[in-house]
Amino acid sequence: ETGVTQTPRHLVMGMTNKKSLKCEQHLGHNAMYWYKQSAKKPLELMFVYNFKEQTENNSVPSRFSPECPNSSHLFLHLHTLQPEDSALYLCASSQDSIGYTFGSGTRLTVV
Amino acid sequence: QKEVEQDPGPLSVPEGAIVSLNCTYSNSAFQYFMWYRQYSRKGPELLMYTYSSGNKEDGRFTAQVDKSSKYISLFIRDSQPSDSATYLCAMSLPTGTASKLTFGTGTRLQVML
Repeated sequence: ETGVTQTPRHLVMGMTNKKSLKCEQHLGHNAMYWYKQSAKKPLELMFVYNFKEQTENNSVPSRFSPECPNSSHLFLHLHTLQPEDSALYLCASSQDSIGYTFGSGTRLTVV
Repeated sequence: QKEVEQDPGPLSVPEGAIVSLNCTYSNSAFQYFMWYRQYSRKGPELLMYTYSSGNKEDGRFTAQVDKSSKYISLFIRDSQPSDSATYLCAMSLPTGTASKLTFGTGTRLQVML
């Protein structure tokens, strides 16, 4: 257990479905992040939250909608996704510039 | 040009070998340099970090940063099968609490018995 918990671990959804990914951190960190990891590509930053406020939206399509109700919880709401959105979605938290603590990710398959 | 270049491998070595993993980058403003290890079906875990230039050693692992060449390396001595994983380099600007990391694509390492 890394201190960052992501659920579900696996998700298969149709293109018309609505689903949500959940992330919870127990480390007392102030910043939380969503990253997308696709095969043979670098991790892509999607969203950054610092003290519950969104500080970065890296040109992410509106079919991805983040929510950060408090510094410990982060959600990623999904709707009308495309097959190319299939990837590993990683949540992370941090306290400073040194590095993140990642969760184990949600493996998303869009059919 | 990608901000961070990393050979994706795979890199296969025999047990006990010295492994050298490398990344080059283009943004001279990067100050923090990190190496993450990612096992299959897991998230990346921070292995080592270095601030600015220099070397850092931790057990069998040594991280090196050469800012003049924009080149960072991770050396693994006496490699073990348990070192088989994907190694990601990452770097960031000194932006305070919410740092944005820029990652390489990762190098897949296989240590053979």
